[in-house]
Amino acid sequence: RKEVEQDPGPFNVPEGATVAFNCTYSNSASQSFFWYRQDCRKEPKLLMSVYSSGNEDGRFTAQLNRASQYISLLIRDSKLSDSATYLCVVNQAGTALIFGKGTTLSVSS
Amino acid sequence: GAVVSQHPSRVICKSGTSVKIECRSLDFQATTMFWYRQFPKQSLMLMATSNEGSKATYEQGVEKDKFLINHASLTLSTLTVTSAHPEDSSFYICSAEDWASTYEQYFGPGTRLTVT
Repeated sequence: RKEVEQDPGPFNVPEGATVAFNCTYSNSASQSFFWYRQDCRKEPKLLMSVYSSGNEDGRFTAQLNRASQYISLLIRDSKLSDSATYLCVVNQAGTALIFGKGTTLSVSS
Repeated sequence: GAVVSQHPSRVICKSGTSVKIECRSLDFQATTMFWYRQFPKQSLMLMATSNEGSKATYEQGVEKDKFLINHASLTLSTLTVTSAHPEDSSFYICSAEDWASTYEQYFGPGTRLTVT
């Protein structure tokens, strides 16, 4: 079983749509959770950290369910510029980040 | 945010040659740097963990004699791909951990290596 699993997509949505990505992780000792965004041929960039209480940053909402070892990302009012690959990432303190394969989002006009 | 640079950003080399990639933390000190590799349509995979002043720790399946890592200072780690082969062609990305913030890792822009 892979450590971090994501649906690779692609998710093809029109502008203005709401889209949700899910991710599961296998290591119950994981302590930190993130969503990264990666554009084609670029390095990944931190989109947001994910907390048990859930957190929101503008159009983006992240949720963590530790009991189910499940992480989600919701994007509201999708923009063309949201088109990218979204990486679910987990780690333990002081260790390397463990990446999912990513979910590809394509937003069209 | 913190800045990490990588050099070169792109390199094309012939099979059998060696290539050195530099990773620098520009405005913070990094006791730990990580080297990742990403093949097309694949996830980033950790290759090794580089600690300043000590030997790197390699992930299973990564040959330490082929991928030489040196972390001689708190701001610089280098990855040398020795005797490169076409199957080593990949996107190599480093990240540096800001020792003032345990969970903060900052990525370099990556180096695209093509071995012909």
